[in-house]
Amino acid sequence: RKEVEQDPGPFNVPEGATVAFNCTYSNSASQSFFWYRQDCRKEPKLLMSVYSSGNEDGRFTAQLNRASQYISLLIRDSKLSDSATYLCVVNKKRSQGNLIFGKGTKLSVKP
Amino acid sequence: EADIYQTPRYLVIGTGKKITLECSQTMGHDKMYWYQQDPGMELHLIHYSYGVNSTEKGDLSSESTVSRIRTEHFPLTLESARPSHTSQYLCASSAPTPGLNTEAFFGQGTRLTVV
Repeated sequence: RKEVEQDPGPFNVPEGATVAFNCTYSNSASQSFFWYRQDCRKEPKLLMSVYSSGNEDGRFTAQLNRASQYISLLIRDSKLSDSATYLCVVNKKRSQGNLIFGKGTKLSVKP
Repeated sequence: EADIYQTPRYLVIGTGKKITLECSQTMGHDKMYWYQQDPGMELHLIHYSYGVNSTEKGDLSSESTVSRIRTEHFPLTLESARPSHTSQYLCASSAPTPGLNTEAFFGQGTRLTVV
């Protein structure tokens, strides 16, 4: 079983739609969690960290369920510019250790 | 914008050549990484370093080698390039902050093609 698993998509949605991405991780000792965004042929960039209580940044909401080892990302009112691949990332240690990347979920927002 | 740079951005080279991919960061980060990513596929960690004179192999076996003689510099070398080495190589760095999630900053990548 892969350490981090995501639905590969692609998700094709119209502008203004709400879309949710799911991610599961296998190592119960994982301590820090992130969503990164990667545009086509570009480097990954941090979208947001994921905290135990859940957190929101504008149209983006991230949730963590440690019991189910499950992370989610919700994008509301999607824009054309949201089209990208979204990477779920976990780290076994909060401030050390190595980041483990999921394969990513591709999102395509259409007009 | 992150201050981490990779050169060259694109490299096309013949089989058997020795190549070095450069990565430098000006953020003073102790931890640096090399990832390999094929088109449409996930990132695989091939090397990492906790600081000067520290290098470790990552989760994906790679024929490449790395060195860390200076904090800011983490070059990757292939002694004899082969077509199977064709891929994108991404360098990243991070600075552990106690009690906080540690973000990694990525360079723009080197797209290597071995013919």
